Amino acid sequence: GQNIDQPTEMTATEGAIVQINCTYQTSGFNGLFWYQQHAGEAPTFLSYNVLDGLEEKGRFSSFLSRSKGYSYLLLKELQMKDSASYLCAVVDSNYQLIWGAGTKLIIKP
Amino acid sequence: NAGVTQTPKFRVLKTGQSMTLLCAQDMNHEYMYWYRQDPGMGLRLIHYSVGEGTTAKGEVPDGYNVSRLKKQNFLLGLESAAPSQTSVYFCASSREGLEGGELFFGEGSRLTVL
Repeated sequence: GQNIDQPTEMTATEGAIVQINCTYQTSGFNGLFWYQQHAGEAPTFLSYNVLDGLEEKGRFSSFLSRSKGYSYLLLKELQMKDSASYLCAVVDSNYQLIWGAGTKLIIKP
Repeated sequence: NAGVTQTPKFRVLKTGQSMTLLCAQDMNHEYMYWYRQDPGMGLRLIHYSVGEGTTAKGEVPDGYNVSRLKKQNFLLGLESAAPSQTSVYFCASSREGLEGGELFFGEGSRLTVL
């Protein structure tokens, strides 16, 4: 079967750095997305990785290792507004999007 | 910019009732999707469309029907609602397929079936 694993919940302190991991086992790979979802709102796009390595976008960075079936989202200089769920999703060989259950990130002052 | 708009935002149904969720997008996107989101689970694809007049089944299509008569609209129908269909439903659209194509989501429709 196809599987995306993310921690259910993480807690971090305002101003700190946090890394949210995502591991996947899918039938093929055609890219990996990260989305942010605030409680009661729609998911919004953060990043897309298809090649190995680190993609940096402001305070957020996303890393991919295809050989290890692994990605992480790195959030720097955490702000209270970063409290949200972070969703990892993989495009499989049939170009279907397989979603993880999401990681709820709680930011404390 | 309206983006993706879903109506209604909230609805309570009794078992066996029918209803339709409407999704409209103003970005001229070809691809549209209906997902459901349940606690502790990832988003699950119900149905999708790759263009006007086309529809296809996703991961969990049973109990739902869809139509895409106009490019900008994608309707999700429940013919006979069941408590298992209590969920938050998200419509999404994308300019291209999933190979690098970002999804734009509507605000969600929270459905409760009693």
